[in-house]
Amino acid sequence: AQKITQTQPGMFVQEKEAVTLDCTYDTSDPSYGLFWYKQPSSGEMIFLIYQGSYDQQNATEGRYSLNFQKARKSANLVISASQLGDSAMYFCAMREGRTDKLIFGTGTRLQVFP
Amino acid sequence: GAGVSQSPSNKVTEKGKDVELRCDPISGHTALYWYRQSLGQGLEFLIYFQGNSAPDKSGLPSDRFSAERTGGSVSTLTIQRTQQEDSAVYLCASSPRRASYEQYFGPGTRLTVT
Repeated sequence: AQKITQTQPGMFVQEKEAVTLDCTYDTSDPSYGLFWYKQPSSGEMIFLIYQGSYDQQNATEGRYSLNFQKARKSANLVISASQLGDSAMYFCAMREGRTDKLIFGTGTRLQVFP
Repeated sequence: GAGVSQSPSNKVTEKGKDVELRCDPISGHTALYWYRQSLGQGLEFLIYFQGNSAPDKSGLPSDRFSAERTGGSVSTLTIQRTQQEDSAVYLCASSPRRASYEQYFGPGTRLTVT
């Protein structure tokens, strides 16, 4: 069963606008972590934000915030005030508490236009 | 400080040949991970090291794949009798400790099997 689902293969957003990238997950483990990574065309994976399953508040890192809805099993990434440099692939990932590996979704390609 | 480094950055090999891919983690990081990213796909977990031990090898796709880590530092991923379906980008990541939310990725090795 697919554990991480990203249903948006591609998204467009105008510069300075906010954009939400969707991610849903599936696990029976009560302890887990959710991650978002950015992969520019250069290929490197850049860590953006982390949310633990027991965290009471949504994680925020600068212009990035994670909209964590536990009951819906969703962990959407919100990018505020998009910049041209935000154009990249974005991957959602999960780590279940009893393992150390990350399970990745198939990614969303975000394109920011002027 | 220095990040995760991988070598070679690109490797072209003929079907049936063996290849070795190298990963140098961030100094002091005890956890090391190998992932594979096929064209247009998300990342697929291969193997995880804690120190020199590999407690999770569940992602290795066949017995043609093996990996080792020596001195709690450098890791080598070996693919024997390469096949065209092995063509992918192989990414290495390291963490300061197991189950840390900080996983730092290297630039990857692009493997092409002709």
